[in-house]
Amino acid sequence: QSVLTQPPSVSAAPGQKVTISCSGSSSNIGRNYVSWYQQLPGTAPKLLIYENYKRPSGIPDRFSGSKSGTSATLGITGLQTGDEADYYCATWDSSLTDPWVFGGGTKLTVL
Amino acid sequence: EVQLVESGGGLIKPGGSLRLSCAASGLTFSNAWMTWVRQAPGKGLEWVARIKSKPSGEEIDYAAPVKGRFTISKDDSEPTLYLQMNSLKTEDTAVYYCTTDRDSSLNSWGQGTLVTVSS
Repeated sequence: QSVLTQPPSVSAAPGQKVTISCSGSSSNIGRNYVSWYQQLPGTAPKLLIYENYKRPSGIPDRFSGSKSGTSATLGITGLQTGDEADYYCATWDSSLTDPWVFGGGTKLTVL
Repeated sequence: EVQLVESGGGLIKPGGSLRLSCAASGLTFSNAWMTWVRQAPGKGLEWVARIKSKPSGEEIDYAAPVKGRFTISKDDSEPTLYLQMNSLKTEDTAVYYCTTDRDSSLNSWGQGTLVTVSS
């Protein structure tokens, strides 16, 4: 059971928009930055969003992040087949001994 | 560009030991906080261990399932991150990734190395 809760799967058509939610608590998302990671099939995860909404260089602005209270959201617009991947949210948890906690991951299918 | 290259994975019997390495380049390794994250087959990401830089006190943290069995270390002169894994269990089977830990995120990831614990 993951500390952060994500939907197991989402799907949308090419060109459409999709959002992926990440729900936590006051000890993790509520007081710390959220980051998002994309894991394409058979590859290592890659940082997509850090500090809730910032994009590393090279990440297109089709990807966006937001946070409100104890939840965070990843948005992807103009969906492409190449966006099919697993997406993970992560943050620190101030109440646990583990510095990092992850969501269970969301599989995005571009229909 | 940061490059992280893991090695040392393989097939090992339960109770055995293995040492993973992560060779780093493209960053000031002595100032880097480094983390190991693992992913069991078909499962999500799980944080394993973190080591802060010397300037930050070289503080170390471990996830509960590996505490007392795994040891994280870094050699700034090489520069390489290590994970010594002892008393391995079947549930330690996973791909192990090393990552940089900066700006409240895990910025750069290696390609991973597969550890299989099986008799």
